[in-house]
Amino acid sequence: AQSVTQLDSQVPVFEEAPVELRCNYSSSVSVYLFWYVQYPNQGLQLLLKYLSGSTLVKGINGFEAEFNKSQTSFHLRKPSVHISDTAEYFCAVSDRSSGYSTLTFGKGTMLLVSP
Amino acid sequence: GAVVSQHPSWVICKSGTSVKIECRSLDFQATTMFWYRQFPKQSLMLMATSNEGSKATYEQGVEKDKFLINHASLTLSTLTVTSAHPEDSSFYICSARDKQGGYNEQFFGPGTRLTVL
Repeated sequence: AQSVTQLDSQVPVFEEAPVELRCNYSSSVSVYLFWYVQYPNQGLQLLLKYLSGSTLVKGINGFEAEFNKSQTSFHLRKPSVHISDTAEYFCAVSDRSSGYSTLTFGKGTMLLVSP
Repeated sequence: GAVVSQHPSWVICKSGTSVKIECRSLDFQATTMFWYRQFPKQSLMLMATSNEGSKATYEQGVEKDKFLINHASLTLSTLTVTSAHPEDSSFYICSARDKQGGYNEQFFGPGTRLTVL
């Protein structure tokens, strides 16, 4: 069975500082990995995804993530955050056992950007 | 990207009543729709997967008779919470994709906040 661990429930940072949100997954088969952002009382928006190929994936709003198979990680990074990046971020995995048809989400990390 | 809408965006109801939530894919045909539930400050939990024209597949622990799902057309799925109780209060999010099997991106609706008094 697939599972996702987001170790940090909350990450406070100052504006223009770099940030890394951590995500580790557990799966015995090949995986697809995703990062979503959720603003208050809204649905999820896809930031980026890894399906295959290059392990460094670039997404929207200046975010990127790196797939590390040996460490089963898919950490999200941004070199300089803005106030508007304040939101909840979810890492998700989909694997071959489900035919890549379902998503399993981590518990989320709240990114709090202060001026 | 593709757009998924939900209606209503929020609803308040009395305990014991039933509530219907609609999920529509506005610019694509969704062969598969998913329903998630999200408690405050928690992750999304998949409740069920519905394919157009067939019965929904419910995740373990989700009561089929309480959460009725209908996917009658390629652009509409409905979730009916029957005999709602305060513990059913939650944020319900649907998603839709346009291909069965393999990978195809899920597009998420904006969610429906259900409060049962």
